[in-house]
Amino acid sequence: DAGITQSPRHKVTETGTPVTLRCHQTENHRYMYWYRQDPGHGLRLIHYSYGVKDTDKGEVSDGYSVSRSKTEDFLLTLESATSSQTSVYFCAITEGLAGAGWYFGPGTRLTVL
Amino acid sequence: GQNIDQPTEMTATEGAIVQINCTYQTSGFNGLFWYQQHAGEAPTFLSYNVLDGLEEKGRFSSFLSRSKGYSYLLLKELQMKDSASYLCAVRDNDYKLSFGAGTTVTVRA
Repeated sequence: DAGITQSPRHKVTETGTPVTLRCHQTENHRYMYWYRQDPGHGLRLIHYSYGVKDTDKGEVSDGYSVSRSKTEDFLLTLESATSSQTSVYFCAITEGLAGAGWYFGPGTRLTVL
Repeated sequence: GQNIDQPTEMTATEGAIVQINCTYQTSGFNGLFWYQQHAGEAPTFLSYNVLDGLEEKGRFSSFLSRSKGYSYLLLKELQMKDSASYLCAVRDNDYKLSFGAGTTVTVRA
């Protein structure tokens, strides 16, 4: 299994509070991703990174920001959490080579009350 | 944009075969992936197709037709542990992976 961890694994917070989720990898892969998963929508890309300090938006980036200051860590921040951001968040990594799979972390279940 | 369609649910009997179809219309194509996801767990990689044809891996096979924007995942000799969601995903030309909503397969005894 790819070495990917996410923290925290579960979090309950209140509307309007800031929240930061962390993804940590030990594979030295260049590409890292944040997805959210909601019933009926599948996995949707929030932001991704193609190197240290290099990030770009995905299809559902509003209300989220990311940072990557070193290869192994990719942080997702909700500046002011809303109830619509209640979801399961998955981090994924890939080498980016042809045929290389995307490997997912265990997920973070976030509830915004 | 990306449009990836797959059926919502399928039910089959233990020992049978099930075929999960996936159609896609995407702005770029650099491979199609299938993932398995058990309830409450992370998706796990099953298969990858980038050229037309059939790829076989044990009880699982995946087929791709790029001209038709079509793929299927074939699960043979179904076991109870195969009850899960199966996700079709397309990689574009910019190292992004887009997913369909997933197909929940229920295997009955």
